[in-house]
Amino acid sequence: SYELTQPPSVSVSPRQTASITCSGDKLGDKYVCWYQQKPGQSPVLVIYQDSKRPSGIPERFSGSNSGNTATLTISGTQAMDEADYYCQAWDSTTAGFGGGTKLTVL
Amino acid sequence: QIALKESGPTVVKPTQTLTLTCTFSGFSLSTHGVGVGWIRQPPGKALEWLALLYWDDDKRFSPSLKSRLTITKGTSKNQVVLTMNNMDPIDTGTYYCAHLSSYGSGMNWFDSWGQGTLVTVSS
Repeated sequence: SYELTQPPSVSVSPRQTASITCSGDKLGDKYVCWYQQKPGQSPVLVIYQDSKRPSGIPERFSGSNSGNTATLTISGTQAMDEADYYCQAWDSTTAGFGGGTKLTVL
Repeated sequence: QIALKESGPTVVKPTQTLTLTCTFSGFSLSTHGVGVGWIRQPPGKALEWLALLYWDDDKRFSPSLKSRLTITKGTSKNQVVLTMNNMDPIDTGTYYCAHLSSYGSGMNWFDSWGQGTLVTVSS
């Protein structure tokens, strides 16, 4: 499977901007998705096709992808955004997930 | 409204075969651009993609687990069945099925997930 690397943890203060990175070989040539998972819950899609937001996802969530790195950005982070975040991409016909990043809102 | 729910045994013994069923509603697996995937998560660890069944019956598997997996449509039109043979304690985790929207090469995403089912492998 395609290998994606994320930092294990990121901390952010409320109302500040959080950035979570995801790196992989020529990742910018692929489409990246991001999922949010809160404790005891199923993952929720928050970004698809690098930067698109599904219906119902707040505008403070945005994404970008270039070179070997994709980034999930949360502007004006709220306490409710504390969760694990996973990036995901497709290498030809197989999917790969990143190792996940625990976002802590201090 | 799309909904998916996983069902199957909560405990399996080492070397046994695990059979999980995903029962879904709100979409048809015959619709172009639709798929159902399986993803698992060991306790406290990351998500791992296992398998995918497309609307046209095309199937894809994780290269590292391909020899142990099968994915098929169930006896009911709204079911997808995953089997994994030769189960080991390391396979313990929560198994999710998810709806996939597909718009071409690489343009796929899992936009609805089931609640997951915890499978423990233990003798």
